[in-house]
Amino acid sequence: AQSVSQHNHHVILSEAASLELGCNYSYGGTVNLFWYVQYPGQHLQLLLKYFSGDPLVKGIKGFEAEFIKSKFSFNLRKPSVQWSDTAEYFCAVKGNKLTFGTGTQLKVEL
Amino acid sequence: EAQVTQNPRYLITVTGKKLTVTCSQNMNHEYMSWYRQDPGLGLRQIYYSMNVEVTDKGDVPEGYKVSRKEKRNFPLILESPSPNQTSLYFCASSLTPLGANVLTFGAGSRLTVL
Repeated sequence: AQSVSQHNHHVILSEAASLELGCNYSYGGTVNLFWYVQYPGQHLQLLLKYFSGDPLVKGIKGFEAEFIKSKFSFNLRKPSVQWSDTAEYFCAVKGNKLTFGTGTQLKVEL
Repeated sequence: EAQVTQNPRYLITVTGKKLTVTCSQNMNHEYMSWYRQDPGLGLRQIYYSMNVEVTDKGDVPEGYKVSRKEKRNFPLILESPSPNQTSLYFCASSLTPLGANVLTFGAGSRLTVL
């Protein structure tokens, strides 16, 4: 069965710290991969997506993610976070269907 | 403006009182879907629709109904709401259900069932 795992449920960082959020999936076939962000009180918005080509994908607001097929991973990174990055982040995988992870709450402190 | 519109945004109701949450998109999208978001559980799909008159169950369909009579509308119906349906609900749509199509989400509907 297809599944998505986000290991970090809550992350607290200081401004300017580097960020890496883990996402692993299980599915035997070709996948499309997504990261969505949900700012407080708002709906989900797409940060970035991967469907083929360069496994290093750049998204909005300085975020990037790397697809490592051998590790079934699609980790989200940002070199220097800002207070405005405080949000919940969801990894999603589309194999035979679209499945979301349980989310990671990121809090960035000033 | 391209968007997915949900109504109501907030609703408090009582057990057993039928309610409908509407969802409308203006992007001529084929695919529409309903999710519920609960703390620690992420987003779970309730129902989805590949196109008009084509609907199917997601991961947590119990207690919900949907219909897709027109391409733009995909209402979520709770025939007899129960407290365990208290949740934040999101409607989403995409151009097609295939490939890397990105979902556009509505603003969410927070439902409380007493």
